[in-house]
Amino acid sequence: GAVVSQHPSRVICKSGTSVKIECRSLDFQATTMFWYRQFPKQSLMLMATSNEGSKATYEQGVEKDKFLINHASLTLSTLTVTSAHPEDSSFYICSARPGATYEQYFGPGTRLTVT
Amino acid sequence: QKEVEQNSGPLSVPEGAIASLNCTYSDRGSQSFFWYRQYSGKSPELIMSIYSNGDKEDGRFTAQLNKASQYVSLLIRDSQPSDSATYLCAVNIKSNAGKSTFGDGTTLTVKP
Repeated sequence: GAVVSQHPSRVICKSGTSVKIECRSLDFQATTMFWYRQFPKQSLMLMATSNEGSKATYEQGVEKDKFLINHASLTLSTLTVTSAHPEDSSFYICSARPGATYEQYFGPGTRLTVT
Repeated sequence: QKEVEQNSGPLSVPEGAIASLNCTYSDRGSQSFFWYRQYSGKSPELIMSIYSNGDKEDGRFTAQLNKASQYVSLLIRDSQPSDSATYLCAVNIKSNAGKSTFGDGTTLTVKP
């Protein structure tokens, strides 16, 4: 149980284009989903918290107009990186939290490369 | 002071030994504590959760919590090379909107 999928697993895009990443909880309903970014050899950095049906809460320093988050249902959240630049190249990871606990179940991550 | 602190390591133990990973946290309101394992190039995976003082055992893993000392640890018995990974400690504060605060992780290497 507690499986989270992410799609795509890897994406290469050109500078200036937008990329959408999907995060799905496959066998549970996720009242809350989180989006993280991790650069090589660095710590996990929380970007935003997403609750179903409401606006995402962004961490300090994360541009909400650049990283658009939509949590349209209890099993799906999307992150769109708009006007991507090479410095946005990173490992983006989502996690989902079932309503009853604070445990987080992570998706496998999306490796974004912006050329 | 970081909210969740871990020794970055690397921690190296021989195969079959006990690996001890430590974590301290600053907020006394913390209520839920988690250990995640992250293999290189992969996403984190939940391995243990603990909510009350004492020990919690799951197979070769034991989580220990001491709220008075604001300390949580993870013991891995009979360490295997496949346990080589970065271990992340995470702490939840009820008032923090369900977000977990993660430590920077301790890298463990188990040598055959």
